[in-house]
Amino acid sequence: AQSVTQLDSHVSVSEGTPVLLRCNYSSSYSPSLFWYVQHPNKGLQLLLKYTSAATLVKGINGFEAEFKKSETSFHLTKPSAHMSDAAEYFCVVRGGGGGSYIPTFGRGTSLIVHP
Amino acid sequence: DTEVTQTPKHLVMGMTNKKSLKCEQHMGHRAMYWYKQKAKKPPELMFVYSYEKLSINESVPSRFSPECPNSSLLNLHLHALQPEDSALYLCASSQGDLKGYGYTFGSGTRLTVV
Repeated sequence: AQSVTQLDSHVSVSEGTPVLLRCNYSSSYSPSLFWYVQHPNKGLQLLLKYTSAATLVKGINGFEAEFKKSETSFHLTKPSAHMSDAAEYFCVVRGGGGGSYIPTFGRGTSLIVHP
Repeated sequence: DTEVTQTPKHLVMGMTNKKSLKCEQHMGHRAMYWYKQKAKKPPELMFVYSYEKLSINESVPSRFSPECPNSSLLNLHLHALQPEDSALYLCASSQGDLKGYGYTFGSGTRLTVV
């Protein structure tokens, strides 16, 4: 079985300060992990993914995430927030349940960026 | 071409109408998906097509009928929908239906059932 928990429903930061969006997962097998971003009234866009290669993954728009197996975490970070980063972020686990590759989405974290 | 194109962007339909949503990709992806997303919620998987064959139906009511005419196209036929079916319908594609592949999503069709 697999599950994913996004620890914060909302995160509020000021422009230019660091961003941390937290994600913990549970899986019976070695999973792949993803972060997606969704701007209002838009589809989801893949930010980055972990697929058992390097544990520090760099994505688009300056985002990165570190896979920590011992902590079952895959937190998303960015050194300096921009107003355009305000959006909904989803952490996704896939392949951690065995035979099925149906992804499990977290509930989402809304990132609010203040000027 | 790195996009998934969905049409129409908005759709209002009555409960007795029949309509179709269309999704198209030209990235050579062999897996395509329909998702339903309610406001402030994560997407919920409806259907998976792998190599143009329906591989997963997540117990979706028969008033939703998917179709994959070829490897680039995915349709969702709608009939006798209920107001609670109002949602954002997202199409996605991936290189294959394996755990290491991420999705490319379309912008969605905003469906309102009246």
